[in-house]
Amino acid sequence: EVYLVESGGGLVQPGGSLRLSCAASGFSLSNYWMSWVRQAPGKGPEWVANIRQDGNEKHYVDSVEGRFTISRDNAENSLYLQMISLRAEDTAVYYCARERLVGATDFDYWGQGTLVTVSS
Amino acid sequence: AIRMTQSPSSFSASTGDGITINCRASQAISSYVAWYQQKPGRAPNLLIYGASTLQSGVPSRFSGSGSGTEFTLTIVSLQSEDFATYYCQQYSSYPITFGQGTRLEIE
Repeated sequence: EVYLVESGGGLVQPGGSLRLSCAASGFSLSNYWMSWVRQAPGKGPEWVANIRQDGNEKHYVDSVEGRFTISRDNAENSLYLQMISLRAEDTAVYYCARERLVGATDFDYWGQGTLVTVSS
Repeated sequence: AIRMTQSPSSFSASTGDGITINCRASQAISSYVAWYQQKPGRAPNLLIYGASTLQSGVPSRFSGSGSGTEFTLTIVSLQSEDFATYYCQQYSSYPITFGQGTRLEIE
């Protein structure tokens, strides 16, 4: 059974930083591209970033470019999202998601999400 | 970025009814479309990919069609568990984008 479990969310002030983690089990993380997708309250999902199996190719949505960094540790079966200079509009549930195919694609498994709230 | 526009934004129906949800892409995206179902407090669940291929384990009352810029998700004979919000998603090019959602409610 495939499981993705996010952690690291919480309340942070504007301008602050946070690091999200996603622990994967039930499959070999090294075989898949992985993504972070977020969903603001009452809104649709928004793709944030993804990373290639070896970590050497990454893509970001424009609104987080330069502020968020996606990374992975295949040996630890873990995915990360480092977020700095957080803004109120970054408030959302953040999901890690497995990409079904190589590169930009759909997402066949999702975690339960971790809530990030940016507020003073 | 490619914009995905869904219609209707909400819809009321009864169990046993059939419905069609539409999704229009702002530019041609071949068949690089997926559909998801989301229930409150849960992550989205993949229903269809490649515009028309049913994900493993998804009931056959769900189907998808379309290519280019126009796509549809059809559900025949609605069951109680189908009342949820549905999203389309394009993966033709970065950034990957989602529609704004269609909320399906019990009439």
